Amino acid sequence: EVELVESGGGLVQPGRSLRLACVASGFNFDGYAMHWVRQGPGKGLEWVSGISWNSNDIGYADSVKGRFTISRDNAKKSLYLHMSSLRPEDTAFYYCVKDIREGDIAALDVWGQGTTVTVSS
Amino acid sequence: QMTQSPSSLSASVGDRVTITCRASQSISSSLNWYQQTLGKAPKLLIYDASTLQSGVPSRFSGSGSGTDFTLTISSLQPEDFATYYCQQSYGNLPWTFGQGTKVEI
Repeated sequence: EVELVESGGGLVQPGRSLRLACVASGFNFDGYAMHWVRQGPGKGLEWVSGISWNSNDIGYADSVKGRFTISRDNAKKSLYLHMSSLRPEDTAFYYCVKDIREGDIAALDVWGQGTTVTVSS
Repeated sequence: QMTQSPSSLSASVGDRVTITCRASQSISSSLNWYQQTLGKAPKLLIYDASTLQSGVPSRFSGSGSGTDFTLTISSLQPEDFATYYCQQSYGNLPWTFGQGTKVEI
């Protein structure tokens, strides 16, 4: 069974940093692109960042560009999101998501249970 | 930029429901649809504009290409009351979601 387990969320002050991690199991992790998607309180979905299977293709939403860094360690079957210069508007539930198509970037297939990030003084 | 309409709608069990999504520029068939029920992670319904994800009931269908897309639920069931999002995946990254359509009783 495909499973994604996020960790690293919590309460952090504005301007500080936080690193989210996602550990994958049940599929060939190093063959799939991975993504982070967030949802603020009472808000819609926002795609945050994505990374191709070989890390050659990386993208960020304009709202986080220059502040967030996505990375992956295929040997550890892990995805990361390093978030710096955090703002109150980054407060959200963050999901780790597997892409649907091996070797490609296509759609958001399997979602983790999510982790909460709260940015507040 | 992805624009969904309507932002919300009221419907009854058995109704045919249509949600539209418009892209600000052509995205070919790179359009996906998701369903989110309260308190749960989103679920992929349709990808590549019209391909039904495995396990999704056949009452869901998607159509369109270029800039205009449609999600149709042929006969609304009680478990379909949820929020639906479109999302473009054209030219790889970055991606964007529509603002969502809430389907209420």
